[in-house]
Amino acid sequence: EADIYQTPRYLVIGTGKKITLECSQTMGHDKMYWYQQDPGMELHLIHYSYGVNSTEKGDLSSESTVSRIRTEHFPLTLESARPSHTSQYLCASSAGQKLFFGSGTQLSVL
Amino acid sequence: GQQVMQIPQYQHVQEGEDFTTYCNSSTTLSNIQWYKQRPGGHPVFLIQLVKSGEVKKQKRLTFQFGEAKKNSSLHITATQTTDVGTYFCVKGSTLGRLYFGRGTQLTVWP
Repeated sequence: EADIYQTPRYLVIGTGKKITLECSQTMGHDKMYWYQQDPGMELHLIHYSYGVNSTEKGDLSSESTVSRIRTEHFPLTLESARPSHTSQYLCASSAGQKLFFGSGTQLSVL
Repeated sequence: GQQVMQIPQYQHVQEGEDFTTYCNSSTTLSNIQWYKQRPGGHPVFLIQLVKSGEVKKQKRLTFQFGEAKKNSSLHITATQTTDVGTYFCVKGSTLGRLYFGRGTQLTVWP
């Protein structure tokens, strides 16, 4: 099984707070992704990276930002959280086109 | 826009019945992947199909890639309660990005 870790697993915060969702993988994969998923719905790509210092926006407009300073680390930051950001955030990495997902962060913004 | 159409969106079956989900694309696919997401979990890779007309089996699961490489199906024989979850087909692109279908939520009644 793949080694990709997301923290925190659950996060409840107030509106206006700045938050960073962490994602790390130990497989040396160049490609990493952030997906957003609401309950029972499809996954929407919000950011992806093909390697260090490479980041791109995905298909779903997002107010979040990402960075890729190291191969293994791909954090996602929300500068000012809002209730509309409440969702599950899934991080993934890939070798070839096979995706390995972390366990996700369930974010609730009050 | 949606890259792959997946039907049905929901399927409820009695344990022991068969189940099929279909994935269709308006364009020729280079490959198609299938993932399973258990309730409360993250998507897990099941299989990748690459060749026209390809058929692969994993125990009670049969995956098929159409001759024209524009459609795919996942068939489960004699469903069990452990089959519960959402099944996603995923389209790959030449740029390495992956597009998820909306998924089929399978419920199995004991």
